[in-house]
Amino acid sequence: AQSVTQLGSHVSVSEGALVLLRCNYSSSVPPYLFWYVQYPNQGLQLLLKYTSAATLVKGINGFEAEFKKSETSFHLTKPSAHMSDAAEYFCAALYSGAGSYQLTFGKGTKLSVIP
Amino acid sequence: DADVTQTPRNRITKTGKRIMLECSQTKGHDRMYWYRQDPGLGLQLIYYSFDVKDINKGEISDGYSVSRQAQAKFSLSLESAIPNQTALYFCATSESRYNEQFFGPGTRLTVL
Repeated sequence: AQSVTQLGSHVSVSEGALVLLRCNYSSSVPPYLFWYVQYPNQGLQLLLKYTSAATLVKGINGFEAEFKKSETSFHLTKPSAHMSDAAEYFCAALYSGAGSYQLTFGKGTKLSVIP
Repeated sequence: DADVTQTPRNRITKTGKRIMLECSQTKGHDRMYWYRQDPGLGLQLIYYSFDVKDINKGEISDGYSVSRQAQAKFSLSLESAIPNQTALYFCATSESRYNEQFFGPGTRLTVL
């Protein structure tokens, strides 16, 4: 079965420090890839998506992610963390199978930002 | 106004009760989805629908049923709720199978 792995269920960074959230997907055929953010008591909001047009994808709120086929990775980064970035982040991959496409989510990484 | 709405936002019910969660969307999308979120497990797909006449089971459909009343409405039912169905439930929509999904605000369900 296809899967998405997010390394680290909790990540803490200081305000102003680099944010790095890791995501690896399992597939020899690069799927479509997404990063979503979930703020407390809210639904998921799309941060960015990879659809094979460019390996470096820029998203909202200063986040970006780089697709690396050789490493089957799609890590999310932000140069300088802000307090408002504290949330849970989900990596997701769109896999095809049995004539359909389904979105497979990682288990999430909760980001804490320390003042 | 929100594009994807869910009602109720919070619900407490008892074991054995029937409960329905409702989802409405104004995005005009044909594809709608129901997910369940448990802490530390991410989101798991319960059911999905590509149009009013097309309903498909997801990875954890046991104990759940759905109804697609119209393009804009997709309901999730628990015929006889049990405590391990306590979770956060999300509805989502997408324009096509390649596009991102748009999520509602979620329904927090507690089964006592």
